[in-house]
Amino acid sequence: GAVVSQHPSRVICKSGTSVKIECRSLDFQATTMFWYRQFPKQSLMLMATSNEGSKATYEQGVEKDKFLINHASLTLSTLTVTSAHPEDSSFYICSAGRPNYGYTFGSGTRLTVV
Amino acid sequence: GDSVTQMEGPVTLSEEAFLTINCTYTATGYPSLFWYVQYPGEGLQLLLKATKADDKGSNKGFEATYRKETTSFHLEKGSVQVSDSAVYFCALRENTGNQFYFGTGTSLTVIP
Repeated sequence: GAVVSQHPSRVICKSGTSVKIECRSLDFQATTMFWYRQFPKQSLMLMATSNEGSKATYEQGVEKDKFLINHASLTLSTLTVTSAHPEDSSFYICSAGRPNYGYTFGSGTRLTVV
Repeated sequence: GDSVTQMEGPVTLSEEAFLTINCTYTATGYPSLFWYVQYPGEGLQLLLKATKADDKGSNKGFEATYRKETTSFHLEKGSVQVSDSAVYFCALRENTGNQFYFGTGTSLTVIP
């Protein structure tokens, strides 16, 4: 079946530094990848949609300069949290797939900014 | 807009108890409905789904029926096990789009 690998699973970083999260489709080509964020006791919220080879589409309220998304190939999308602050601490999860073939979620990344 | 409302947790049950997690939705079109499960330390996994009204999704003893008249997709299991302890998410996806809308998740703990 379709497998999506997300790395790292956990990361702790200092305030002001940047963190990159990778989302890879291991056995299929993903034309679309979604990035979600989950605050404690809240639902998964869509941050942005990325299509291979084009700029990501960000949801309202998501700072595109802070959450940089790159989808340079059909198997890899990256989310970079720039100048991270404690309020960016959250659970980030990606989903990859193609229309009519379904979408598979990654295992998520727990980011803690100290 | 589309949304999913899910019963709040946490839920604690004894082994072999009956489980119901309520989920209702609001959608402008004809969505597909999903239940995802997140085991401790792992990512989301699809548990079951239903793509049209009156469909019943089932997997691992869990069931949910797509009820259009009550806009609901309640998750049930007749006899829970300790290994069912996880967070359960109800979600919908419009058939015309790719975006998922998730509920807040319900944490289930099953005690021996």
